[in-house]
Amino acid sequence: DTGVSQDPRHKITKRGQNVTFRCDPISEHNRLYWYRQTLGQGPEFLTYFQNEAQLEKSRLLSDRFSAERPKGSFSTLEIQRTEQGDSAMYLCASSHFGGGDYNEQFFGPGTRLTVL
Amino acid sequence: SQQGEEDPQALSIQEGENATMNCSYKTSINNLQWYRQNSGRGLVHLILIRSNEREKHSGRLRVTLDTSKKSSSLLITASRAADTASYFCATDAGLTGGGNKLTFGTGTQLKVEL
Repeated sequence: DTGVSQDPRHKITKRGQNVTFRCDPISEHNRLYWYRQTLGQGPEFLTYFQNEAQLEKSRLLSDRFSAERPKGSFSTLEIQRTEQGDSAMYLCASSHFGGGDYNEQFFGPGTRLTVL
Repeated sequence: SQQGEEDPQALSIQEGENATMNCSYKTSINNLQWYRQNSGRGLVHLILIRSNEREKHSGRLRVTLDTSKKSSSLLITASRAADTASYFCATDAGLTGGGNKLTFGTGTQLKVEL
């Protein structure tokens, strides 16, 4: 257990439905990242926050995806009008940025999304 | 998109043997990291090597980095059945020296048999 938690762990939904995932990072970590991983591939970056500011978004993050970190603590990732191609493992990670040293990213267990 | 490729894609060895995995990447980097992932689980950070380092050790792990060839290798010595997992390299190529998004390779599936 890295200290990063994600909820739910599994989500099955029908195409066209909206889903929301939550990530709780390690409490003193100011950076939070979302990645997506499909079967047999490495994780792909979606977006990341420093505190509540969203610093970068991948082109993978279409307008159906939105991520927030309203108080600089937990984050949510929402997918609207889900498509079968959204089926994947959604991974959250957090790190402490600053202080001159390195920023290992600690990953949560992931949320596995299946879109029927 | 994936930053790099790992080689081999799959590796099967006997317990006690050494396992070597290679990673190639495409752009200049701040640092390179190796992660392990057990089936269907999250990623566990193994080791980080900065762009100005050439070799690093942690327990049974040894990582090398050759920035001129844009490649890295991970050696696991005296492997154990519990080392069975997928191993990914990930590069941080951001401008601010670290803490940026990671770009992962395609992974090596390691199986250690008793």
